[in-house]
Amino acid sequence: AQKITQTQPGMFVQEKEAVTLDCTYDTSDPSYGLFWYKQPSSGEMIFLIYQGSYDQQNATEGRYSLNFQKARKSANLVISASQLGDSAMYFCAISGSGTGANSKLTFGKGITLSVRP
Amino acid sequence: DTEVTQTPKHLVMGMTNKKSLKCEQHMGHRAMYWYKQKAKKPPELMFVYSYEKLSINESVPSRFSPECPNSSLLNLHLHALQPEDSALYLCASSPAPPQLTDTQYFGPGTRLTVL
Repeated sequence: AQKITQTQPGMFVQEKEAVTLDCTYDTSDPSYGLFWYKQPSSGEMIFLIYQGSYDQQNATEGRYSLNFQKARKSANLVISASQLGDSAMYFCAISGSGTGANSKLTFGKGITLSVRP
Repeated sequence: DTEVTQTPKHLVMGMTNKKSLKCEQHMGHRAMYWYKQKAKKPPELMFVYSYEKLSINESVPSRFSPECPNSSLLNLHLHALQPEDSALYLCASSPAPPQLTDTQYFGPGTRLTVL
């Protein structure tokens, strides 16, 4: 079974500063995908960034980057130059493997980020 | 603008009502999903359709009935719901058959309240 652990309590960051959101995972599958989603209070789950287990380089998407440490089974999200609109719940997720299970995403409990002006 | 749309945005229904949630995607995807999400919790997978066929049912009660009329539409028919079914219902889509690298793209959700 796969597991995502997000243990940080509510996070606070000053506008324009960088923040790191932690994610550790557990899986016995040799191949997997790691995803980060943002969910503002409106409810929509917004895809941010993806990292494949065999990717040699850390993924980056604009202000988002993923600090992927495979041996430590961690996939931390780094948001640079925080904006007020970054205030939201952030979920880390891992994709399954095997027939049918590819479609299953296992989510962590989420981290609430608040950006202070 | 999201390419996965859901209607209605809000729905209030009694326990004896019959209602439907609708989801439409314009991404050319052939896999579609229904998730249920309670407040401050992660989404929970309910159903997966791949090529318009139900491929995963996560032991969801029969009062929830999914339907995939075509490759871009997904419905969730609701009947005789309980107050504990009140939640945010999210639809998502991805390429099919789903691969480990495929991203699921979500719609804005329907907030359901069962009285």
